[in-house]
Amino acid sequence: SQTIHQWPATLVQPVGSPLSLECTVEGTSNPNLYWYRQAAGRGLQLLFYSVGIGQISSEVPQNLSASRPQDRQFILSSKKLLLSDSGFYLCAWTLGPLNEQFFGPGTRLTVL
Amino acid sequence: QKEVEQNSGPLSVPEGAIASLNCTYSDRGSQSFFWYRQYSGKSPELIMFIYSNGDKEDGRFTAQLNKASQYVSLLIRDSQPSDSATYLCAVNVGFGDGTTLTVKP
Repeated sequence: SQTIHQWPATLVQPVGSPLSLECTVEGTSNPNLYWYRQAAGRGLQLLFYSVGIGQISSEVPQNLSASRPQDRQFILSSKKLLLSDSGFYLCAWTLGPLNEQFFGPGTRLTVL
Repeated sequence: QKEVEQNSGPLSVPEGAIASLNCTYSDRGSQSFFWYRQYSGKSPELIMFIYSNGDKEDGRFTAQLNKASQYVSLLIRDSQPSDSATYLCAVNVGFGDGTTLTVKP
């Protein structure tokens, strides 16, 4: 069966510090991978998606970036965090763009 | 206009009643429609998907899709307190803001 991991589970970072969040998927090959951010009481905002190694599409211009160095690894990064980067970051995978998504447990980021 | 719109709620129903959740979308060419349930502090989990016009039933859940009206709904029959959560409508990879449902014993 497929599983998706995210770490860390929670993170408190000062403004201006760097960020690296990691997501890995097990039990499937060549998944589509997604990064979402969820602000308190809101829906999911799509940040990045990837259909393969090294292929990244950005949905929202901001100070975040993503990379996919391996087939089942997806990384979200920032060089300098802003207060507005606080939120619940979710990684998801799917077999194709029209298929259901499966979410990781998420990372709750607080920028102070 | 958001691509996916949901009634923000909150929606409160008594235990055993039918809960009705609604969603509209703007892209007429959308092909895949999903309902996710999200408990407080947790990640979303898929409960229903539907691709064709009409109804799709799975246990106590029924998803309804009307592409002409660009409308998706979710019915929860015999609502239980454990159904209390936020329900997110997704169209392709876009999400609504969710409707919070509370089922009162």
